[in-house]
Amino acid sequence: GQQLNQSPQSMFIQEGEDVSMNCTSSSIFNTWLWYKQDPGEGPVLLIALYKAGELTSNGRLTAQFGITRKDSFLNISASIPSDVGIYFCAGRVGRNAGNMLTFGGGTRLMVKP
Amino acid sequence: DAGVIQSPRHEVTEMGQEVTLRCKPISGHDYLFWYRQTMMRGLELLIYFNNNVPIDDSGMPEDRFSAKMPNASFSTLKIQPSEPRDSAVYFCASSLGGGLQETQYFGPGTRLLVL
Repeated sequence: GQQLNQSPQSMFIQEGEDVSMNCTSSSIFNTWLWYKQDPGEGPVLLIALYKAGELTSNGRLTAQFGITRKDSFLNISASIPSDVGIYFCAGRVGRNAGNMLTFGGGTRLMVKP
Repeated sequence: DAGVIQSPRHEVTEMGQEVTLRCKPISGHDYLFWYRQTMMRGLELLIYFNNNVPIDDSGMPEDRFSAKMPNASFSTLKIQPSEPRDSAVYFCASSLGGGLQETQYFGPGTRLLVL
């Protein structure tokens, strides 16, 4: 089946630093999504990408849909303590697969004040 | 809107007992998803419904797991009998429509511990 490889698995950074994480797949996805999960809560959508090459920002967050449709990255600029959490990428193949998402393993971000 | 509502938030039970997890999707959403999250396997899709009809249950691990959606505003995930390896956080999510641009909204999860 489809798999998403997300890296790094964890990051421990200083407040103010920029962060970059990415997801790669062996197969093509037509939608890439980035979620953040806070402790004890469900994932919350941060950014959605629908076209190959698309670059989208949401505040300090920027994500891109890779040209090959097999990868995506998420950047966080000037990190702050509330950025702490687990970030997940998710991909969707297409209408034939309904609305099913495949999730990456997550990147656990820790920010030192 | 209150978002996706799940109950209970926490459940501790003994091996062999029946466990029922409940979900109320966002009003008007016609897709409902059940996920399981563990440290080892991450987020796994168990089953999803469209207009109350199960569409894909290939992620349901065993016959001990069953899910129902008797109406558009309620779904249950049942484990009978429960086993310690079922311990995980179970999420329900809903979305409006099945197109590529439809966002899935997650509930807060039910943290299940089977002793």
